[in-house]
Amino acid sequence: RKEVEQDPGPFNVPEGATVAFNCTYSNSASQSFFWYRQDCRKEPKLLMSVYSSGNEDGRFTAQLNRASQYISLLIRDSKLSDSATYLCVVNGGDSSYKLIFGSGTRLLVRP
Amino acid sequence: DAGVTQSPTHLIKTRGQQVTLRCSPKSGHDTVSWYQQALGQGPQFIFQYYEEEERQRGNFPDRFSGHQFPNYSSELNVNALLLGDSALYLCASSPPDIRPGELFFGEGSRLTVL
Repeated sequence: RKEVEQDPGPFNVPEGATVAFNCTYSNSASQSFFWYRQDCRKEPKLLMSVYSSGNEDGRFTAQLNRASQYISLLIRDSKLSDSATYLCVVNGGDSSYKLIFGSGTRLLVRP
Repeated sequence: DAGVTQSPTHLIKTRGQQVTLRCSPKSGHDTVSWYQQALGQGPQFIFQYYEEEERQRGNFPDRFSGHQFPNYSSELNVNALLLGDSALYLCASSPPDIRPGELFFGEGSRLTVL
């Protein structure tokens, strides 16, 4: 079983749509959670951290369910520029500096 | 302000050879991590350097080694290259006192092993 599991997609949605990605993680000791975005053949970039209370950044909302070890990302009013791969990331456990990346979910936003 | 810079950007090696990849962290950052990203996969943690020492290591064989210099720049060395070492090697830096996980990545070094 992978440590961080994501649906690879692709999710193909029209502009303006709302789309949600989920991921599950296996290490209950993980303390830090993130979503990164990676454009084709580019480096990953931090999209947002995920907090226990849930957090929002513009059109993006992240949720964390520690009991179910589940993280979600909601994108509202999708833009063409949102087309990318979204990587779910958790740290390797308490006091761990290691980040564990999922394989990513690919999003394609069409005109 | 330059971000994380890596060199070389692309390189081709043959099996059994050795390779050295270089990374300069973003200004003000003192911690460097290295990740390997195979095609279609997420990055995998190789190791992290802080204060010129390897602070944590992932599940990579001893063929993978590294170094951090007093100016915080870093090198990744891979010996006895295998075909399976073909990947994008990403360097990431982070400043002191930042929440673990908030990394700044370089554009990577794409290694092809023939």
